[in-house]
Amino acid sequence: DIQMTQSPSAMSASVGDRVTITCRASQGISNYLAWFQQKPGKVPKRLIYAASSLQSGVPSRFSGSGSGTEFTLTISSLQPEDFATYYCLQLKSYPVTFGGGTKVEIK
Amino acid sequence: EVQLVESGGGLVQPGGSLRLSCAASGFTFSTYWMTWVRQAPGKGLEWVTNINQHGTDKHYVDSVKGRFTVSRDNAKNSVYLQMNSLRAGDTAVYFCVRDTRHDYSDPDYYDSWGQGTLVTVSS
Repeated sequence: DIQMTQSPSAMSASVGDRVTITCRASQGISNYLAWFQQKPGKVPKRLIYAASSLQSGVPSRFSGSGSGTEFTLTISSLQPEDFATYYCLQLKSYPVTFGGGTKVEIK
Repeated sequence: EVQLVESGGGLVQPGGSLRLSCAASGFTFSTYWMTWVRQAPGKGLEWVTNINQHGTDKHYVDSVKGRFTVSRDNAKNSVYLQMNSLRAGDTAVYFCVRDTRHDYSDPDYYDSWGQGTLVTVSS
């Protein structure tokens, strides 16, 4: 199985900060990676697909990069509505696996 | 507008069974793979299973193999998850998710999720 290791698992940041979340795959997954945002009690929302393609309607402050085993989700200027938990997901092979999540909290 | 509505969750005793349903609308259901993802209380997301358009190809996470069965009825625009031999560790919100049409170079995989249905396994 492909393991997806997200870091950090939690972080505190301020409005306006640049935030970077990393996801590392235990083996190469090309660009078969997506990023999701989940707020408490809400359904996960896809932000990025194919590692770097922005979901329609998602603000441009979100961006994804990487290929192979190292991926990053960047929020260029954190907004109040961005405080949430973020998950990466690999779809290169079965079983499909999520990262453990990164909780972004208000500093 | 894509809609996915899960039903069938509830409280069940260990060793019991439950069948979840997901009713889809707003898209051509028969052209998509469909997926179930679960989330235990306070925990992360876990992929459970998916099924292809014709119901002939299915995949499962190891922890549910032999206990869970995914199926679909394209005439009813519905996908199902039959859960047997339930354990406390299966307690979670189960989400129905629209998967891909062809492969993961398509842009619309995992872009639509249901609200989820809570399954609680407890005596």
